[in-house]
Amino acid sequence: DQQVKQNSPSLSVQEGRISILNCDYTNSMFDYFLWYKKYPAEGPTFLISISSIKDKNEDGRFTVFLNKSAKHLSLHIVPSQPGDSAVYFCAAFGSYGGATNKLIFGTGTLLAVQP
Amino acid sequence: NAGVTQTPKFQVLKTGQSMTLQCAQDMNHNSMYWYRQDPGMGLRLIYYSASEGTTDKGEVPNGYNVSRLNKREFSLRLESAAPSQTSVYFCASSPGTYTEAFFGQGTRLTVV
Repeated sequence: DQQVKQNSPSLSVQEGRISILNCDYTNSMFDYFLWYKKYPAEGPTFLISISSIKDKNEDGRFTVFLNKSAKHLSLHIVPSQPGDSAVYFCAAFGSYGGATNKLIFGTGTLLAVQP
Repeated sequence: NAGVTQTPKFQVLKTGQSMTLQCAQDMNHNSMYWYRQDPGMGLRLIYYSASEGTTDKGEVPNGYNVSRLNKREFSLRLESAAPSQTSVYFCASSPGTYTEAFFGQGTRLTVV
C-alpha cells in the first residue's frame, strides 16, 4: 500500500524551461513533506520541505506547492538546468502502526534536462 | 564532519549467509533510519529508531533485525540472506521528527 505516490516515472524538459514534478499522498495525517534529489551511486540529498500550515515554499529555483484538499504536492524547478538531471523523491512524515514519525518516500521521478 | 557513514560500500553474499551493515552518524541526531532502494519501488523503510534504545518496524522489516547500539550507531543485520534482499541499502539520520534526514552513500548488496 503505497502511501506516497509519484505516478510519473520519468520527465524530460528542455534547459531553461520549467520542470514540474508531482506527488500524491493518501494519508490525511501527513503534515510535513520533503523533496529529495538523488544522483546515481550517491545518497539522496534534501532539497526543500513544506509544512501543512503553508501552501507554498520557495528556495531559489525550487518551489514546492501543497494542496491539502487534493492530497497533492508539486515541485517546480525554474529555470531547469542540465545539472538538475537526477531522480527526485517526494517524502512525508507518516505512520506505520499508528505513530506519526516515520519518513516515507515515493517511488521517484527521473528528470532529464536536455541542453 | 563526516555526516552519515555506511560500511561496507559493496558486498556479495551467498544465499543463507549472514551479515551486518554498519551505520554511524556524527551529527548528534536522535532519529536513524534504514531504507532499501529497488528499481520502480523507490525508497522503502525497513526499520526506524526514534532515539537510542528504541526501534520500530517500517514497511518491509521481514528478514532483517536492527540494533541501536548508542546514539551514533544503527546497524542492520541479515540473519539468512536471500536473493530478494539484493538491493541498495541506505542509512539516514535526522535531529527528530519533521526535519530533514541526511543520508549515507549506500551499500550495494548482492545475494547470489
